[in-house]
Amino acid sequence: EVQLLESGGGLVQPGGSLRLSCAASRFTFGSYAMSWVRQAPGKGLEWVSTISGNGGATYYVDSVKGRFTISRDNSKDMLYLQMNSLGADDTAVYYCAVCYSDYVYDYWGQGTLVTVSS
Amino acid sequence: DIQMTQSPSSLSASVGDRVTISCRASRGISNYLAWYQQKPGKVPKLLIYAASTLQSGVPSRFSGSGSGTDFTLTINSLQPEDVATYYCQKHNSPVGTFGGGTKVEIK
Repeated sequence: EVQLLESGGGLVQPGGSLRLSCAASRFTFGSYAMSWVRQAPGKGLEWVSTISGNGGATYYVDSVKGRFTISRDNSKDMLYLQMNSLGADDTAVYYCAVCYSDYVYDYWGQGTLVTVSS
Repeated sequence: DIQMTQSPSSLSASVGDRVTISCRASRGISNYLAWYQQKPGKVPKLLIYAASTLQSGVPSRFSGSGSGTDFTLTINSLQPEDVATYYCQKHNSPVGTFGGGTKVEIK
């Protein structure tokens, strides 16, 4: 079965940076778009970013444009999210998800918690 | 950008009841609508995509309908294990906006 394992979360000060990673296995990683979805404590799901299978196209929610960068290394089956200029509103569990078709999130990782606080 | 609005935000129903959750898109999205279930403390799980296609392994008491801007998730005969928050998501583009969620509880 598909496996997605996020890492890189933790406590960071406001204005700081963090890079999240998502290790994928048991599917042909480079063939599918991947996304990051976040969930603030006690809140709903928020789509953050999507990257195409070959990495040539990226998309972001307005609130992270210019601060976050999604990327992937298809030779390593890895997805990344570089997060800069973090603020309290970025505190959330960040999930990576694979889009098998039509941008449906068929499988999700377990999530990694990012806490932005001084 | 297309916005997704769910209603109600929460509901309480008895075991065996029929439950309906609505999702409205601010512009037409054809049938590109998915539903996810998130149980407390768990990862979201895909239930339905393309508005009405049940994901493999999902109980048949779940069903989806709608097209364009208005969609419905129906749970026929609510079970205790269906206690969860349900989210709709548009999947017509790489911008995968979610609805605000509907929390379902047992009365």
